[in-house]
Amino acid sequence: DTGVSQDPRHKITKRGQNVTFRCDPISEHNRLYWYRQTLGQGPEFLTYFQNEAQLEKSRLLSDRFSAERPKGSFSTLEIQRTEQGDSAMYLCASNHGSGGYTGELFFGEGSRLTVL
Amino acid sequence: RKEVEQDPGPFNVPEGATVAFNCTYSNSASQSFFWYRQDCRKEPKLLMSVYSSGNEDGRFTAQLNRASQYISLLIRDSKLSDSATYLCVVGPGTYKYIFGTGTRLKVLA
Repeated sequence: DTGVSQDPRHKITKRGQNVTFRCDPISEHNRLYWYRQTLGQGPEFLTYFQNEAQLEKSRLLSDRFSAERPKGSFSTLEIQRTEQGDSAMYLCASNHGSGGYTGELFFGEGSRLTVL
Repeated sequence: RKEVEQDPGPFNVPEGATVAFNCTYSNSASQSFFWYRQDCRKEPKLLMSVYSSGNEDGRFTAQLNRASQYISLLIRDSKLSDSATYLCVVGPGTYKYIFGTGTRLKVLA
């Protein structure tokens, strides 16, 4: 399977714990995105990488959230000191872009976080 | 005002019906437009891109109205399998994609 893969698919944690999600994009894609989706809402933009550079970070991403893409391949999203409001589906997407070209986003199946 | 707004529905329509969804966006500089489909508890998947001249893919037709800042999706001859949430997506820049809340469609037998 050469699609976007995310791990873990489901995570249940207690409030105050740290969690980390991993995303492996499609191999030739240089752009990687993290979104968060709660029930009844559309995906909300969290952050974006072009290669290893994090070019934009939403104000939704508090200082408890950090994302990395160390070698321009896979990415991790860490949430420290989780709160119940962090419960959501965390979606990773990737595409290939250059200059002004914007194309289809390919999503992974998501990592569902439940904070008790 | 939200950057991308959609009627959340649900739209309940009988099989064979024609149904239309609209989506408005606030950033007049937006450059790219898409409709995505999302099944329950699944990831969004591209349904179709939306071009300035309008485009059609089988039973699906998408239109863009830049002057009024809205895009539309028309589904003809609805099938049970069309039941899903339809997400309007707008790219206001070269890479950032903003999703609407989605419109739920249920096609009834």
